[in-house]
Amino acid sequence: DAGITQSPRHKVTETGTPVTLRCHQTENHRYMYWYRQDPGHGLRLIHYSYGVKDTDKGEVSDGYSVSRSKTEDFLLTLESATSSQTSVYFCAISNRTGYYNEQFFGPGTRLTVL
Amino acid sequence: QQQVKQSPQSLIVQKGGISIINCAYENTAFDYFPWYQQFPGKGPALLIAIRPDVSEKKEGRFTISFNKSAKQFSLHIMDSQPGDSATYFCAAMGGKLIFGQGTELSVKP
Repeated sequence: DAGITQSPRHKVTETGTPVTLRCHQTENHRYMYWYRQDPGHGLRLIHYSYGVKDTDKGEVSDGYSVSRSKTEDFLLTLESATSSQTSVYFCAISNRTGYYNEQFFGPGTRLTVL
Repeated sequence: QQQVKQSPQSLIVQKGGISIINCAYENTAFDYFPWYQQFPGKGPALLIAIRPDVSEKKEGRFTISFNKSAKQFSLHIMDSQPGDSATYFCAAMGGKLIFGQGTELSVKP
């Protein structure tokens, strides 16, 4: 998975609790992304980062925040988890934008919110 | 306008047959159209991609056909094999990647 690890790989939590997912890369790629994957919706962009401390919102950012204090780490936080945030979360990295922006995906984190 | 619509949702093909997955988009500013392949329990991986100034791109058994005027593109998998069984996502780039809903392909031996 192109030098990308995600932790934890599986998590079960309760509604209202905070959750942080971590993405770590060893490729020194500039761009990092968080997606969620749900049946019938494909992959939807939550937030992305174009450099250390530089982040922006994606298509489904409500209820999520991110931080990137180092090139290699991109954290996704659910401040107060809800059942609608039960999903599989993927981190992706790329070293360019625009045409031929190949994104390399991590192995995913399966999150269940009870 | 930012949507990419993919069909069918699922597809069953016999070994050796042709698998065809279709996608349609509205935003004419999209300038890059990749296809990603995802095996169970794994993250998606880039399979093949095309630019809108090209009508067809072939890599081995995988071909993208692109119809700019109709705003449609499709993935053809020739001589489909059981190892091709996976979920396929089309996508379009307009600053960010917008993914289709996915197609679960099953190739029967």
